[in-house]
Amino acid sequence: GAGVSQTPSNKVTEKGKYVELRCDPISGHTALYWYRQSLGQGPEFLIYFQGTGAADDSGLPNDRFFAVRPEGSVSTLKIQRTERGDSAVYLCASRTSGSTDTQYFGPGTRLTVL
Amino acid sequence: QQQVKQSPQSLIVQKGGISIINCAYENTAFDYFPWYQQFPGKGPALLIAIRPDVSEKKEGRFTISFNKSAKQFSLHIMDSQPGDSATYFCAASKYGGATNKLIFGTGTLLAVQP
Repeated sequence: GAGVSQTPSNKVTEKGKYVELRCDPISGHTALYWYRQSLGQGPEFLIYFQGTGAADDSGLPNDRFFAVRPEGSVSTLKIQRTERGDSAVYLCASRTSGSTDTQYFGPGTRLTVL
Repeated sequence: QQQVKQSPQSLIVQKGGISIINCAYENTAFDYFPWYQQFPGKGPALLIAIRPDVSEKKEGRFTISFNKSAKQFSLHIMDSQPGDSATYFCAASKYGGATNKLIFGTGTLLAVQP
C-alpha cells in the first residue's frame, strides 16, 4: 500500500516568509509525528498528534512553528517568519495506535531559507 | 542534552566484512531500541528493533546486541554488501508511552567497498 507522502519535496523561500509543509500519513494511522533533520544529524522530534489533537508539542523550537491535523489524517506544519536556521529536512512519520512502535517515515521536505 | 550517543561517525568496510555500529543511552526509562537505515533523499526506514527483555535479536544479516547494565546496544551487519551503504541511526523511546517519540543518535555513514 501507499506509504507516508510529503509535499513539496523541496521548498526554497526567503528569510521572513511563511511556509506550509504537508504530510499524508498511511491510511488508518492515528499517530503522526513531525521531526526535523539538520545536515549530518539524526532526526529531532518536533510534535506528536494522536488523532486530531497535538498530544506532545514539546519539540517545537519556538512559537514560529505550528502544526495542525484538523481531520485526524493530513497534517500541515506551518513556519512563520522563516529564518536561515530553519533550513533542514522536515520528516513526517505515522504509526498505528496499537502496541507496535514502528514509525513509518515519509521522504521528507527539504526546506532552504535564503 | 544528547540522550543517545552513536559511534563511529563513519565506517568503511570491505564487501563480505562485518560492520559494527555502537550506541549508548542515558535515560533508563527507555525500553525500545530501533535501528533505522536511511538512503540519500529518502526517509529513515526501520531495519530492526529490540526491547531489553532479550540481549540479542537477529534478522537475516542484521543483529542487535543489547547490554542493559552498560546502557549500550550495537548493530552488527554480517557479510556486508555494497547495497548496505547508507546512513544508520540508532534510536530509543519509552515503549507504550504517551508519546513514543524517538530520540535518535547522530548517525553513522557506512560505505561498503566492492
